[in-house]
Amino acid sequence: GAGVSQSPRYKVAKRGQDVALRCDPISGHVSLFWYQQALGQGPEFLTYFQNEAQLDKSGLPSDRFFAERPEGSVSTLKIQRTQQEDSAVYLCASSLRVTGGETQYFGPGTRLLVL
Amino acid sequence: GENVEQHPSTLSVQEGDSAVIKCTYSDSASNYFPWYKQELGKGPQLIIDIRSNVGEKKDQRIAVTLNKTAKHFSLHITETQPEDSAVYFCAASKGGGFKTIFGAGTRLFVKA
Repeated sequence: GAGVSQSPRYKVAKRGQDVALRCDPISGHVSLFWYQQALGQGPEFLTYFQNEAQLDKSGLPSDRFFAERPEGSVSTLKIQRTQQEDSAVYLCASSLRVTGGETQYFGPGTRLLVL
Repeated sequence: GENVEQHPSTLSVQEGDSAVIKCTYSDSASNYFPWYKQELGKGPQLIIDIRSNVGEKKDQRIAVTLNKTAKHFSLHITETQPEDSAVYFCAASKGGGFKTIFGAGTRLFVKA
């Protein structure tokens, strides 16, 4: 079956541009997570959705970062006025249930390079 | 704050040998400990997980142990193969619906 998909796979942006990264979770998965992975590091939590509700956004590094999941399926991570330090791989993961099914399935990531 | 430390950062073994990766966590409320394998250009893939009510779990060549008192958990890979070469991440969370904290990763090289 289809896994988590993300688009675009690669994005090059000039400093100051806005970008939008898309995540298509596995159909029916309730939970959706966004992570930021710097080169040579582990994924760092950004935000968490349970259906359409954003329950935890404590990991978003600044108010330039915004995420939404309006219908409880597809999610978009938007970064406004990109900075060079935003360069990283952005990973999306989904899980079937909140309890008893918390295995997270990751997408391939979007590699963002800000010049 | 919540933290997961992982050692070693790099591990090189001969094919057929065992590999051990160790992690410690800081949040005593953590109760779910997954391990992920990440290959170049791909997202992390779950290889095994353990919950806090279990001390050890095994799946073929892979095993994980958990010491809740010491807040340590470890990944053991036996009879390593070249295709085991990848970056491995440990992680900890308080269960579904909570953020997952990842270690910095271990790059495993298995030499044929």
